[in-house]
Amino acid sequence: DIQMTQSPSSLSASVGDRVTITCRASQSIGTYLNWYQQKPGKAPKLLIHAASNLESGVPSRFSGSGGGTDFTLTISSLQPEDFATYYCQQSYSTLVTFGGGAKVEIK
Amino acid sequence: QVQLAESGGGVVRPGRSLRLSCTASGFTFGDYGFHWVRQAPGQGLEWVAVIWYDGTNEYYADSVKGRFTISRDNSKSALYLQMNSLRAEDTAVYYCARLLVVGDWSWLDPWGQGTLVTVSS
Repeated sequence: DIQMTQSPSSLSASVGDRVTITCRASQSIGTYLNWYQQKPGKAPKLLIHAASNLESGVPSRFSGSGGGTDFTLTISSLQPEDFATYYCQQSYSTLVTFGGGAKVEIK
Repeated sequence: QVQLAESGGGVVRPGRSLRLSCTASGFTFGDYGFHWVRQAPGQGLEWVAVIWYDGTNEYYADSVKGRFTISRDNSKSALYLQMNSLRAEDTAVYYCARLLVVGDWSWLDPWGQGTLVTVSS
């Protein structure tokens, strides 16, 4: 199975901060990488597919980049509604796998 | 409006069985594959199983292989997860999610609201 490792697992940030979350795959996965946002008690929501394609309705302060084994989710200016846990997911393999999550908390 | 809704969760004894359902609305169910993903309390997301749009292929995580079966009834726009020989470590919120495929790329969208399964004596 392809292992996905996210860092940091949690971070504290202030409104307006630039936040970067990293996701690393155990093998090269091209751009077969998706990002999800999950708020407490809610289902995950798709933010970005194929490494860098923003879903319709997702604010442009979110962006994704990377390829191969290393990927990044960036929030350019953190807003109050962005405090949540973020997961990466590889779709290179039929047996998809998720990263462990990165919790973004209020400083 | 594209929606998925899970049902069937509850409290069950270890070793017993439970069947989860996921009903879809707002799109042509038979055109899509589906995943089950679970989340243990306070933990991250764990992929469980996937089924192709036509039911011809299904795949499972090692942790549930041989105990869980994913199936679908396109005439009812319904997805199922039959869970047998349940263990305490199967306790989780179970989500169904639609598999979207464009070219070689795929992703999960949308997700249902989840249904809680608690395995406890």
